[in-house]
Amino acid sequence: AQSVSQHNHHVILSEAASLELGCNYSYGGTVNLFWYVQYPGQHLQLLLKYFSGDPLVKGIKGFEAEFIKSKFSFNLRKPSVQWSDTAEYFCAVTLPNTGNQFYFGTGTSLTVIP
Amino acid sequence: NAGVMQNPRHLVRRRGQEARLRCSPMKGHSHVYWYRQLPEEGLKFMVYLQKENIIDESGMPKERFSAEFPKEGPSILRIQQVVRGDSAAYFCASSSQQGAAYEQYFGPGTRLTVT
Repeated sequence: AQSVSQHNHHVILSEAASLELGCNYSYGGTVNLFWYVQYPGQHLQLLLKYFSGDPLVKGIKGFEAEFIKSKFSFNLRKPSVQWSDTAEYFCAVTLPNTGNQFYFGTGTSLTVIP
Repeated sequence: NAGVMQNPRHLVRRRGQEARLRCSPMKGHSHVYWYRQLPEEGLKFMVYLQKENIIDESGMPKERFSAEFPKEGPSILRIQQVVRGDSAAYFCASSSQQGAAYEQYFGPGTRLTVT
């Protein structure tokens, strides 16, 4: 079945640790890839997106993600996390020419310990 | 510039009652998407609407659920005769036009609890 998979459901890190959250998708053909963040009590916000071009995408707040087509992956990274990065992170895909609705992963809850 | 507004933020209904969830898109946006997030699951697409038109309702349950986006006023997601399994967070998103290049902006969600 077509899906978006986030393998890490809960991640706990100390401040200054490096972060990598996995995201894999199973849709064939061209896809658009996104990472959204939901801080406690707030709405979803776009961190970064990939449509085409350089597979290494830089987003807000020091986050980046790398699209590896051969692995159907779009992992999110940050070299040094802060307590304020505590949030829920969602990977999502849209399929061109299908109405632009998002297909989301189940999310990864990140807790950063000061 | 006000973002996507949803109300109410929290809604409690007894089994069998009706739930109405409202979404006001960002100013100038005419495309609205509804998503549902069940406990321990990711957001699932429900329906995509433009003004006065349902474009794609492939994610909507076949019964009890309906959505509209009238010419004037907010988009409404209506759930009739709610059951406990309808308890979830319902998010809407809006964009100015269709297409991957046009970012979707999400609202804060409505958390529906069915008792």
